[in-house]
This record gives sequence, structure tokens and C-alpha cells, in this order.
Amino acid sequence: DAKTTQPNSMESNEEEPVHLPCNHSTISGTDYIHWYRQLPSQGPEYVIHGLTSNVNNRMASLAIAEDRKSSTLILHRATLRDAAVYYCILLNNAGNMLTFGGGTRLMVKP
Amino acid sequence: NAGVTQTPKFRILKIGQSMTLQCAQDMNHNYMYWYRQDPGMGLKLIYYSVGAGITDKGEVPNGYNVSRSTTEDFPLRLELAAPSQTSVYFCASSYALAGVYEQYFGPGTRLTVT
Repeated sequence: DAKTTQPNSMESNEEEPVHLPCNHSTISGTDYIHWYRQLPSQGPEYVIHGLTSNVNNRMASLAIAEDRKSSTLILHRATLRDAAVYYCILLNNAGNMLTFGGGTRLMVKP
Repeated sequence: NAGVTQTPKFRILKIGQSMTLQCAQDMNHNYMYWYRQDPGMGLKLIYYSVGAGITDKGEVPNGYNVSRSTTEDFPLRLELAAPSQTSVYFCASSYALAGVYEQYFGPGTRLTVT
């Protein structure tokens, strides 16, 4: 699976939107873009995933660049509970293994 | 639904001891996975299963064994524990291929081998 690059950390104020970027310049046509997050001392939690079109769910939105070489996870109103490490992962439609890189540590200030 | 459950939450083993980490899911998922996470690192896949009776190795299978006799349960066996197996172990499940479907994770088992 192709590699992703994310900033090590980001900071946000509570109740403000947060845009978490991910670069994946070597993405292939069959790679899905997945986002998971891990709160302190907990297991990873699925956030959202997409292939080509932007996606929305109750937790977040995923904006995918037209060339698919980058994507952005959008949390519309950050809460203190959103403080976590966010992982951007590429996985093709035959893949079984989630490969977690370093992720982005999101800090939310009250 | 309880989702994915894991027992025990914590365990301390002496070098050379054996133990079984339990994992169960009640979502009728075909696919189940075992990962380990060393401090400050990402997750690494140990073993996975695509259905009852079928298992396969992941990235770091040495020192572990698995079995899948039912859809619900996927125990991980550690034989002859070593300090290098000190880690947090996460079990996960998904409806089908992880590329297309999300994985649901359990709360983890924190294992220390001394």
C-alpha cells in the first residue's frame, strides 16, 4: 500500500473547525483513503473513508483532491473529546492490513 | 451490541510463560484481526482470519498462534513469552475486506513480560 504523509501535530480551539491534511502522492486507482483516530489509552476508532468523491458522515467530512494525491479530514466543530491521534491510511480493495504511520496528534484547547 | 470485547485488560507474565488473549465480537463479522502496538508506535498486524477455520499471518506473526473455530471468537495464543512481546494488543473485526469496510477495534489488552 502507498505511503501517506501527515503533520506530526496540530492545535485547534474548541468549537472551531479543524482541517487535517494528508498527502498520498503515490496513491493507486484502487486505493481507498481511510481515516482512523486513537484517543489516549483506547483502541483505534474508524472515522471515515472514501475513494474519489467527498464523503460526509456524522463524525466528519473527507475532502479528496481531484487528482487524489491529497485529502483533508474536516471536523466541523472540534470538541475536547476530539483530541486524539488521527491516522490517514491507504488500503486497496483487496487489502486486509491497516498500516498505521505516525499520524497527526490533534490538541484541542478549551 | 457489545461490539468487540477483549479479556483480560491487563496482564503481567514472566518470561517463558504462556497465555491466551481472548477476543469476541457480536456483529457477525467474517473478518477478524490481531494487532500489537508498541509504545509511541503505530499498529502492526499479527494474524487475521477471513472466516471460521481460516487464518493467515500478518506482518509480525512469530511467537503467536491463533485459531478461529467460530465466527464470534478469535483467541491469540502466546507461547514462551519474551520481553519483546510487551505491548498493547488490539483485536478488530470487519464485515469484509478492510479496504472497503471499516474495522471495529476492541479496548486492548496491555501485556507486560518481565
